[in-house]
Amino acid sequence: DAGVTQSPTHLIKTRGQQVTLRCSPKSGHDTVSWYQQALGQGPQFIFQYYEEEERQRGNFPDRFSGHQFPNYSSELNVNALLLGDSALYLCASSLPHGTVDETQYFGPGTRLLVL
Amino acid sequence: AQSVTQPDIHITVSEGASLELRCNYSYGATPYLFWYVQSPGQGLQLLLKYFSGDTLVQGIKGFEAEFKRSQSSFNLRKPSVHWSDAAEYFCAVGPNTGGFKTIFGAGTRLFVKA
Repeated sequence: DAGVTQSPTHLIKTRGQQVTLRCSPKSGHDTVSWYQQALGQGPQFIFQYYEEEERQRGNFPDRFSGHQFPNYSSELNVNALLLGDSALYLCASSLPHGTVDETQYFGPGTRLLVL
Repeated sequence: AQSVTQPDIHITVSEGASLELRCNYSYGATPYLFWYVQSPGQGLQLLLKYFSGDTLVQGIKGFEAEFKRSQSSFNLRKPSVHWSDAAEYFCAVGPNTGGFKTIFGAGTRLFVKA
């Protein structure tokens, strides 16, 4: 049973560039959430996708956007990168909202460094 | 305001010794409470969760946590630590088991010495 996978594992970009991170959910899951984990901090919720739509969003600017594909995989896009966007970006998948157990399963993350 | 506080940035314990990681929370409603572990290069793994029922919750890898409503605490314990337990531990609180509005603490780094 494949768990949550993310690509790439590491990425280096410069300020102002754009980046796309990818996530494949755990088998059987159709809900994907994205988190930003800055160094020395706990994860912060960015947004959640279900049925190819953004369903919930945390306190992140519009530079952060996403997409979910029919196979439930997801992308996180960040435009106009800032130095402060350097972080570990985690993807988590779960059964849909309203399911008895929405426990999230996390991927290993993508480490983004913005220079 | 809703928040999670993990007072210890890092803790060092000897292999075989007992462990307690502290977590205090502030939350308006009855919360779901979680403990996650993060090893280097890996994502978060759920150790245990609590919503209701017995206030002593058993998790994976021999961990347990006790919910104390009067103290707004949800401390994680393990009777005997193994070197492989060295990792970062995160306490989290939320309105359900899903992601939205789940608030994570800043984490406690556990070091295990031989």
